[in-house]
Amino acid sequence: AQTVTQSQPEMSVQEAETVTLSCTYDTSESDYYLFWYKQPPSRQMILVIRQEAYKQQNATENRFSVNFQKAAKSFSLKISDSQLGDAAMYFCAYRTLPAGKSTFGDGTTLTVKP
Amino acid sequence: DAGVIQSPRHEVTEMGQEVTLRCKPISGHDYLFWYRQTMMRGLELLIYFNNNVPIDDSGMPEDRFSAKMPNASFSTLKIQPSEPRDSAVYFCASSRQGLNTGELFFGEGSRLTVL
Repeated sequence: AQTVTQSQPEMSVQEAETVTLSCTYDTSESDYYLFWYKQPPSRQMILVIRQEAYKQQNATENRFSVNFQKAAKSFSLKISDSQLGDAAMYFCAYRTLPAGKSTFGDGTTLTVKP
Repeated sequence: DAGVIQSPRHEVTEMGQEVTLRCKPISGHDYLFWYRQTMMRGLELLIYFNNNVPIDDSGMPEDRFSAKMPNASFSTLKIQPSEPRDSAVYFCASSRQGLNTGELFFGEGSRLTVL
């Protein structure tokens, strides 16, 4: 069974600074998706960034980027120029291919200090 | 296009009562997932459907929980009888194979409180 581990229950960052959230996963599959989702206090989960396992290039979406290390089964999220609106719980998730179930980590609560 | 729609947003009920949560996935999506979120257990997958057929229900806690998807645009999660430990936020999510993105689109969740 696939597992996703987020070892940082809480993280804090100063506004405009950079923060990295960690995620490791365990799988025997060679092809899969990895995601970071954001859950703000409003509760609805939204996608931050996606990485296909077959792609070696790290995904980037504006201020958000990942460091994907397939051999190490590591998938960290870097948030640059942190903004107050980035405060939320962030979930790392794994999804099997072809489209199957998604497994989520326990989440990291990010606080952004003004 | 409307997102995933869940109802009710909030439900407060007494132990022993039947609870029905509803979900309308995004039109054209062929996968539907039910998750439960609690502080203690995080986000747990309860069951998921593909083309209205349950594929994996191994996360359903016990026989008190049941889920149906009678058609492509509607699913229910039923708890009967409800217990205080069922108190949680229940999320429905949908996705579409073929878009090749794997992304799940979530509803706003149904917060259930069982007294």
